[in-house]
Amino acid sequence: AQTVTQSQPEMSVQEAETVTLSCTYDTSESDYYLFWYKQPPSRQMILVIRQEAYKQQNATENRFSVNFQKAAKSFSLKISDSQLGDAAMYFCALGWGGSEKLVFGKGTKLTVNP
Amino acid sequence: DGGITQSPKYLFRKEGQNVTLSCEQNLNHDAMYWYRQDPGQGLRLIYYSQIVNDFQKGDIAEGYSVSREKKESFPLTVTSAQKNPTAFYLCASSIVRTGLMNTEAFFGQGTRLTVV
Repeated sequence: AQTVTQSQPEMSVQEAETVTLSCTYDTSESDYYLFWYKQPPSRQMILVIRQEAYKQQNATENRFSVNFQKAAKSFSLKISDSQLGDAAMYFCALGWGGSEKLVFGKGTKLTVNP
Repeated sequence: DGGITQSPKYLFRKEGQNVTLSCEQNLNHDAMYWYRQDPGQGLRLIYYSQIVNDFQKGDIAEGYSVSREKKESFPLTVTSAQKNPTAFYLCASSIVRTGLMNTEAFFGQGTRLTVV
């Protein structure tokens, strides 16, 4: 079975600072991919960043980057220069080859303090 | 603009009644999904469909039913058999993955269902 664990129910960061959200996963699949989704108060799920397991290079999207440690099954999200608009729930998700389903973690609520 | 539309945004149901949540997409995606979101639980998969006229149960399908008569539409019915239906429901769609091509799920804005 595929599982995703987010061990930080809540995190906070000062505006302009950097914060890292943790995610670990478990899968027996060799072909899989990982996502971070953001859910702001509007509750619209928005893709932040994605990583294919076969790629060794960590994905980066502007201020968002991941630290993908395949052997440790870890997929953390780093947000640099945090902005007030980054305040949201963040969900880590796992998908795998041959299936279009995603398994989600329970989420981390990020608060950005001015 | 392409996207996924869920309606209604808020829905109230009396105990013992069935209710249907609408989900429509114009992204030409083959796959569609229904997730349930409860506080502190993340998203849990109810049903999904990869092609028209076919669908599979997810992790928490009991008390729910779906249909996929058109590619664009994937309505979810919450039946009276669902013991605790009050939740936030999210519909999503994606292209069907081929090879190593990544797929991203696009989400609707959700429906908040409350049993009164």
